[in-house]
Amino acid sequence: AQKVTQAQTEISVVEKEDVTLDCVYETRDTTYYLFWYKQPPSGELVFLIRRNSFDEQNEISGRYSWNFQKSTSSFNFTITASQVVDSAVYFCAPTFRVQGGKLIFGQGTELSVKP
Amino acid sequence: GAVVSQHPSWVICKSGTSVKIECRSLDFQATTMFWYRQFPKQSLMLMATSNEGSKATYEQGVEKDKFLINHASLTLSTLTVTSAHPEDSSFYICSARDHTLSYNEQFFGPGTRLTVL
Repeated sequence: AQKVTQAQTEISVVEKEDVTLDCVYETRDTTYYLFWYKQPPSGELVFLIRRNSFDEQNEISGRYSWNFQKSTSSFNFTITASQVVDSAVYFCAPTFRVQGGKLIFGQGTELSVKP
Repeated sequence: GAVVSQHPSWVICKSGTSVKIECRSLDFQATTMFWYRQFPKQSLMLMATSNEGSKATYEQGVEKDKFLINHASLTLSTLTVTSAHPEDSSFYICSARDHTLSYNEQFFGPGTRLTVL
């Protein structure tokens, strides 16, 4: 069965700290896509990144970086020098072909960045 | 590009009434739209997949007679919560898939907060 786990329910850091949000998934699919979304208190989902399962290069976008390890089925997200505006719930959401491309949302990690 | 709107953004209704939520893709055609429900402090749960011109496919445990979905055009899907009850109070989010893209990306609406009194 296809499954995604975000083991960290809540994380609290102080501004300027680095923080890593974990995402582990299970699948027998060889072709799939992985997404991360941010949900601020307003509720609207904000797209952060899409990654193809064939592309294992790590990606950096400003203070955000992603580490994709296909061998361990993990797609972790790191925020460097966190800011108060990073406070939100973050969802990891893969899509698998065997499930018709539906997004499978993890439980979410609530990040609180304190000044 | 790839903007999805939802209307209304919030609604309060009395128990027993029906509420309709609209989801529109503004700058692309969406053959497939999805409806999610999110309770406080929980993840998004897929309710149904809406395909233009055909019946929606509901996830297990979702009552199709209670949550009516209509996807009559390539840019509009509606979710009607019939005979709403307080337990239906939730955050409803739609998303739309651009069928011209190969990577299954869904574009999300801003959500509709439903409160049933």
